[in-house]
Amino acid sequence: SQQGEEDPQALSIQEGENATMNCSYKTSINNLQWYRQNSGRGLVHLILIRSNEREKHSGRLRVTLDTSKKSSSLLITASRAADTASYFCATVAAAGNKLTFGGGTRVLVKP
Amino acid sequence: ETGVTQSPTHLIKTRGQQVTLRCSSQSGHNTVSWYQQALGQGPQFIFQYYREEENGRGNFPPRFSGLQFPNYSSELNVNALELDDSALYLCASSMIVNLVAGELFFGEGSRLTVL
Repeated sequence: SQQGEEDPQALSIQEGENATMNCSYKTSINNLQWYRQNSGRGLVHLILIRSNEREKHSGRLRVTLDTSKKSSSLLITASRAADTASYFCATVAAAGNKLTFGGGTRVLVKP
Repeated sequence: ETGVTQSPTHLIKTRGQQVTLRCSSQSGHNTVSWYQQALGQGPQFIFQYYREEENGRGNFPPRFSGLQFPNYSSELNVNALELDDSALYLCASSMIVNLVAGELFFGEGSRLTVL
């Protein structure tokens, strides 16, 4: 079973636009992480946000976390063609030692 | 570059055979996790090893087994292969601190096709 569920499943935007994707989860978490995967390759860690944090930034990435709604969002600003990839959220349960991934959002950035 | 290497990158097996996948963790990491990723889906947790002991297992049958060695390299073994075992198998190393998982460093995966 998957703890996190991303929305939308797929997203197509023009270069320069912002891309927003959301993640909902079911149980209390210690932290939530976002990963990126280029087609058929390994996952790359983007950002980790802890349950006591509400927002984090890394370059063109902005992540928010709302523990009352059990949801998180990832915003990619000024998207580039190279941002084309699948993006996954993953949660670590409050007493957990493993990451549980959602199904991912497939982002296509058109030049 | 995550420092995590997996081998082989691709392999083809037939139903009923056995397969061993290998992973070399990033230096200094004490934990290795294995995930199965079917086409178009998110990674599914198979199991995790912490200091050579299994430290958590997902919803996979016993024919999926693993080992972690003192140098923190790891193996995933799958017996009696089934067609549904066709997937990308991902190894990830990490440091567990205070029993809580942090960032995972993934290898590029081993793509297994079962015919």
